[in-house]
Formats: sequence, C-alpha cells, structure tokens
Amino acid sequence: GENVEQHPSTLSVQEGDSAVIKCTYSDSASNYFPWYKQELGKGPQLIIDIRSNVGEKKDQRIAVTLNKTAKHFSLHITETQPEDSAVYFCAASNSGGSGNTGKLIFGQGTTLQVKP
Amino acid sequence: DGGITQSPKYLFRKEGQNVTLSCEQNLNHDAMYWYRQDPGQGLRLIYYSQIVNDFQKGDIAEGYSVSREKKESFPLTVTSAQKNPTAFYLCASSLRDGSYEQYFGPGTRLTVT
Repeated sequence: GENVEQHPSTLSVQEGDSAVIKCTYSDSASNYFPWYKQELGKGPQLIIDIRSNVGEKKDQRIAVTLNKTAKHFSLHITETQPEDSAVYFCAASNSGGSGNTGKLIFGQGTTLQVKP
Repeated sequence: DGGITQSPKYLFRKEGQNVTLSCEQNLNHDAMYWYRQDPGQGLRLIYYSQIVNDFQKGDIAEGYSVSREKKESFPLTVTSAQKNPTAFYLCASSLRDGSYEQYFGPGTRLTVT
C-alpha cells in the first residue's frame, strides 16, 4: 500500500527565513497531495494542495512543488512568522481506478518553530 | 455557521467501558472519516463512509465500530476490545469520494484509565 515519508520531524527557523518540508510517496498512481497545518489541540486545516497534472502551486507565502518522477513533493513557506509555528502534515491519495475512496495517507508530521 | 463538530472535547473513561464519540457536519458532504492521532505520529484511518448506511474499515479498525444512519452524523464507538484507546480522535468529511479535500473537526481527546 501507499507509504508517505516526511522530513524533517522538527524544524526551527528565525522569523523572516524560509522553511521547507519534504515528503516522498511510494505509490506512483498517487495524484493528489494536500498539506495540512495543525495547531495545538485543534484539528488539521488544509493550507494548500496540488494535483499530479501540476508541478507547482503558490498561495501568497506558501508554495508546493511536485516531482512525479522522483515521487516527492515539498512545502515552502517564505518570510516565516511566529504564527506559522505548528505541526505540518503532508498526505497523498490515489483517486483513479476502481475502489477509489479518496483515502489519504499521511506523513508523520513536522513540528515547525518560528523564533521571533 | 457551517462545519464539523465533535463532542465532547475531552472524554475520560474507565478501562472496560465502551464510549461513543460524536461527529456532526452540516456541509452536506457525502463522505466522512475517523482518524486516530498519537503523539509524534501522523493520522491513521479507522473507518470511513462514502454514503449513508455504508462504511468500510480503515487501517486500524480493530476495537472500533461506527454507524452512518444519517448523512450528517458518523459516530465512533471505542469498545473495550481496543487495547490502547487513549488518543486524539479526529473526524473529517469531504464532498464525495474522489472530491479529495477533507475538512477536519476540532477533535476529541479520549483518556482511558
């Protein structure tokens, strides 16, 4: 089955610096890759997603890149702010073929700390 | 105010007791999901339902049960057969299977002693 590996597990940056979180996936049929932000004691919130027909997507300070050949995708946060501090999860799913359920397989999470 | 609600936020139970966690959504979503989150780990799928009166096991269904009698409700029962029930439980919904965006509730932290 699908497996998603996420690195690093913790990341500490200075306010204003950039942060990059990387994920690799095993199922070459995966075609949807969302990123979630989870604050302490709350449910995850979708912050950006990308589909396999796109190589890069940007939304203000957040961008995601996808390399289907290498089976990895990354989250880039520029000009980090203290409120970006949270746990970030990547996920992957395969929406094609029979038995499609939109099941998401999550990475292990990255705890991002942005120091003022 | 649309969204997904889970109640209660904190739940305490004695070992050997069954407990039911509530999940309600008013987003008119067809699909609903239950995940378990343990410290330092990602989310693991317990059960999911794509339509009313139908549901499937996820990756860690043992010791759990669900029902989907109404579109807006997907309660999860943690039975006494679940060996390590203490965890943070998250409910999610999406418009339909294949419409991939999943929206999460605030979670219920269950502690069993």
